[in-house]
Amino acid sequence: QKEVEQNSGPLSVPEGAIASLNCTYSDRGSQSFFWYRQYSGKSPELIMSIYSNGDKEDGRFTAQLNKASQYVSLLIRDSQPSDSATYLCAVNPSGNTGKLIFGQGTTLQVKP
Amino acid sequence: DTEVTQTPKHLVMGMTNKKSLKCEQHMGHRAMYWYKQKAKKPPELMFVYSYEKLSINESVPSRFSPECPNSSLLNLHLHALQPEDSALYLCASSQDQVLRPQHFGDGTRLSIL
Repeated sequence: QKEVEQNSGPLSVPEGAIASLNCTYSDRGSQSFFWYRQYSGKSPELIMSIYSNGDKEDGRFTAQLNKASQYVSLLIRDSQPSDSATYLCAVNPSGNTGKLIFGQGTTLQVKP
Repeated sequence: DTEVTQTPKHLVMGMTNKKSLKCEQHMGHRAMYWYKQKAKKPPELMFVYSYEKLSINESVPSRFSPECPNSSLLNLHLHALQPEDSALYLCASSQDQVLRPQHFGDGTRLSIL
């Protein structure tokens, strides 16, 4: 059973702080990794894709991938109340099926 | 606004009704997906179409019937649904079925009476 694990939270951070969201996955052959943001009642929105080890930065967001540790994280710098949402980690496992395995999501609350 | 358009946004239907959900994308993507999402849960994959052919059916009950008329359109036909089928139905597309990120539409909120 291929699994993706996230802490469900809520993760509460003050406005302006760095929010750190973590995700582990079980399939060592996984090749692509995604972070989606989902506001309550809305659909998931892709915010980051990462395919190789290391860091990838896009604005206030940084995705980090460590394939040896089977770990992917998302850092949000200068957190804003508008960042309050559920963040879904999604992994494309080995086998090239295109099937995404989602974690349960981490709820982030950014307090003014 | 997303580049994957789903209609209708909301749908209320009885258990004996037949209805269809529609999804359209104009990004030239060749893979399209249907997901079901219940409250406070991640999306659950239902079907995958790749190059207009059904490539994955996640053992979905036959009361859900997908159709891909062309590379831009994806339908989900609904018949004799149960109350537990009430959920947010999401369509997504990706450049191809392998490795590429999936982009979601806004979803259809379905309620079964």
